[in-house]
Amino acid sequence: EVQLVESGGGLVQPGGSLRLSCAASGFTFTSNWMSWVRQAPGKGLEWVANIKEDGSVKKCVDSVKGRFTISRDNAKNSVYLQMNSLRVEDTAVYYCARQLGGSTTIFDSWGQGTLVTVSS
Amino acid sequence: DIQMTQSPSSLSASVGDRVTITCRASQSVGIYLNWYQHKPGKAPKLLIYTASSLQSGVPSRFSGSGSGTDFTLTISGLQPEDFATYYCQQYYSTPTFGPGTKVDIK
Repeated sequence: EVQLVESGGGLVQPGGSLRLSCAASGFTFTSNWMSWVRQAPGKGLEWVANIKEDGSVKKCVDSVKGRFTISRDNAKNSVYLQMNSLRVEDTAVYYCARQLGGSTTIFDSWGQGTLVTVSS
Repeated sequence: DIQMTQSPSSLSASVGDRVTITCRASQSVGIYLNWYQHKPGKAPKLLIYTASSLQSGVPSRFSGSGSGTDFTLTISGLQPEDFATYYCQQYYSTPTFGPGTKVDIK
């Protein structure tokens, strides 16, 4: 069974940093692109970033460019989201998601999310 | 970015009802359109991908159709476990989601 477990969320002040982790199990981690998707309170879903199987290609939404960095450690079956210069509008539940096949952004498995709150 | 809209934003239905949700894209996305089900505090779940392909393990009462800019998700015979929020998502370009349709109990 595919399992994705996020951790690392919490309360941080504007301008601060946080690193999210996602531990994957139940599948061959090196066979899938991985993504982060977020949901702000009372809002819909927003794709944030993704990373290729070997980590050689990374993409992200314009609103986080220069502030967030996605990475992965295939030896640890984990994907990370380093979030710097956090803003109040980054407050959201952050989900780790597996992409179905290649770079195609069909998210076929999701974690339960970790809450990030940016507030003073 | 391609903007996605959904209608209605919410609906009330009874067990056994046929429910149809519409999703519209601001420009053509071909058939690059997925549907997800999301319950509070749970992981979102992929229902339909590439407009009409049923994800493995998803009940056949869920179906998707459409192409270009207009898509529909149909639930034929609503079950108690189907009360949730449903999102469409295009992946023709940078992925974007619709605002969601909340289905609750009448």
